[in-house]
Amino acid sequence: ETGVTQSPTHLIKTRGQQVTLRCSSQSGHNTVSWYQQALGQGPQFIFQYYREEENGRGNFPPRFSGLQFPNYSSELNVNALELDDSALYLCASSLDWNGGEETQYFGPGTRLLVL
Amino acid sequence: AQKVTQAQTEISVVEKEDVTLDCVYETRDTTYYLFWYKQPPSGELVFLIRRNSFDEQNEISGRYSWNFQKSTSSFNFTITASQVVDSAVYFCALSGNNDMRFGAGTRLTVKP
Repeated sequence: ETGVTQSPTHLIKTRGQQVTLRCSSQSGHNTVSWYQQALGQGPQFIFQYYREEENGRGNFPPRFSGLQFPNYSSELNVNALELDDSALYLCASSLDWNGGEETQYFGPGTRLLVL
Repeated sequence: AQKVTQAQTEISVVEKEDVTLDCVYETRDTTYYLFWYKQPPSGELVFLIRRNSFDEQNEISGRYSWNFQKSTSSFNFTITASQVVDSAVYFCALSGNNDMRFGAGTRLTVKP
């Protein structure tokens, strides 16, 4: 058990819709990162938040956005869903990041299917 | 650019065999961290080890051991006396400023 939870576990949406995925980090962890994992591939970095500010972003379009709240919860929002957005979405929390000085602990993921 | 290569897509062994999972990385950073994670069928990534670039000592944890060689940019993972419960996808990852760069993963199947 990592203490990182995500909801919902599974979700089905249709193309063009919007979706919000939620993550609850370990208490005291100031950093949360979101990753997208397509079937058969490794996780790809979407963005990272540190103390409620975006702290880095991967190669994802602006329709992927996020929020981090003071209570160690966070959200990933995806607008105008496309079929290729079907994937497992993972959040990971860490005390800090500092280029890897702290370990990221992952939640169980939300599996999103876009039809 | 940072890159992690796990050349072995799938490995199948019989229980009690030893197995080594290969990881080769590329980075221009002088300080970096390397990680191994295990992903069982449930999907959750389970942290196994973190190693910083200045520590080249091999590490052993029970049946698991890791061989870090900076000269060859490799961070290989060996499971001794494999068990069926070791069946999973294993990912090697390299730290960046704000993210981790993952390899494509190696699917390990341990047959009874």
